[in-house]
Amino acid sequence: AQSVTQLDSQVPVFEEAPVELRCNYSSSVSVYLFWYVQYPNQGLQLLLKYLSGSTLVESINGFEAEFNKSQTSFHLRKPSVHISDTAEYFCAVRPNTGGFKTIFGAGTRLFVKA
Amino acid sequence: DGGITQSPKYLFRKEGQNVTLSCEQNLNHDAMYWYRQDPGQGLRLIYYSQIVNDFQKGDIAEGYSVSREKKESFPLTVTSAQKNPTAFYLCASSDQKEGWGGYTFGSGTRLTVV
Repeated sequence: AQSVTQLDSQVPVFEEAPVELRCNYSSSVSVYLFWYVQYPNQGLQLLLKYLSGSTLVESINGFEAEFNKSQTSFHLRKPSVHISDTAEYFCAVRPNTGGFKTIFGAGTRLFVKA
Repeated sequence: DGGITQSPKYLFRKEGQNVTLSCEQNLNHDAMYWYRQDPGQGLRLIYYSQIVNDFQKGDIAEGYSVSREKKESFPLTVTSAQKNPTAFYLCASSDQKEGWGGYTFGSGTRLTVV
């Protein structure tokens, strides 16, 4: 079985400051890792994913996440946030061998202040 | 454009009443899912379907029912047996052939008991 822990429920940060949203997971099998973003009253959108290969993955809007197998982490980072990045962010895992159910973390609410 | 359409966006249910939430996709995805979202709890899986005419219970299926008569459609019925149905409901789909591309989500239905 898999589980996902997002270590911060809320992260307030000033505009143009760096941010890190932390995600740890546990699994007895190898997994794919995802970050999703949810804006108010909307569905989730895939932000980035790690499937294999390079442990550092990037999104088109400046976010990046690094897969750390030894620490079972997949933290999301952005060097300089914008007001428009205010949203809820979900880390998720999915087995890469036969399974297809995705397990989501509880979410981290990022609040960017002017 | 391809995507998932959920309707209605807002739904009000009286005590003892069954209601059905619609989910339609034109992505030609094999798998479809229903999640329930409550504040601070992330997403919890209600039902999922990998193929037409087949579906499985998720983690919180009690009080819900589904059907998958067409590849494009996966409606969710919230029955009177669901004692606390007020929540945000999200439908998602994924391409089983790809297996790891992540989910595409609809924009959600907010259900309120009145």
